[in-house]
Amino acid sequence: DVKVTQSSRYLVKRTGEKVFLECVQDMDHENMFWYRQDPGLGLRLIYFSYDVKMKEKGDIPEGYSVSREKKERFSLILESASTNQTSMYLCASSPHTGLAGTDEQYFGPGTRLTVT
Amino acid sequence: AQSVTQLDSQVPVFEEAPVELRCNYSSSVSVYLFWYVQYPNQGLQLLLKYLSGSTLVESINGFEAEFNKSQTSFHLRKPSVHISDTAEYFCAVSRGSTLGRLYFGRGTQLTVWP
Repeated sequence: DVKVTQSSRYLVKRTGEKVFLECVQDMDHENMFWYRQDPGLGLRLIYFSYDVKMKEKGDIPEGYSVSREKKERFSLILESASTNQTSMYLCASSPHTGLAGTDEQYFGPGTRLTVT
Repeated sequence: AQSVTQLDSQVPVFEEAPVELRCNYSSSVSVYLFWYVQYPNQGLQLLLKYLSGSTLVESINGFEAEFNKSQTSFHLRKPSVHISDTAEYFCAVSRGSTLGRLYFGRGTQLTVWP
């Protein structure tokens, strides 16, 4: 079974802190993704990566950065946390097999971040 | 950019009733279509997907979805729901050229009452 793990289920941080959210997948997937999920807004893509050290901006990259130094690990960084970044953060991974875009994404359980 | 519209944000139904969750997408190119389900306090998991071939696809727990190219829709149906189907359901679209990126709808909360 594919497993995507996220470092914390719940996290509380103060405004202005630097926050690291870690995601690890154990299936040698090429693609990894960070989303935030807010009620009524669904999932919005923050950043994704299709290879080590490669990254692409999603729809809402402002205030976030990412790092992918190893294939299995994709980190989301909030340089200076703000209250409007309080949200559920979901990590996902997918393989790149055959035709691009046909592979399912496998999701972690999520990290609920509260910034006070 | 892709646009995925889930027409109902909440769908309440009684147990054993049929249900349809609606999904429309905007695209002028070929797409691949997915339905994901999120049970309470969990991440998303794939329910079913359409890539090509038969326009009717089924999941192992009784859901089905039909790809309708002319109406750009991919509605999810189940003839008889159970309380355990209570969850949030997300429709998603992928274009073949976007490195595995999915475009998600805003989700539909299905609540099944006894």
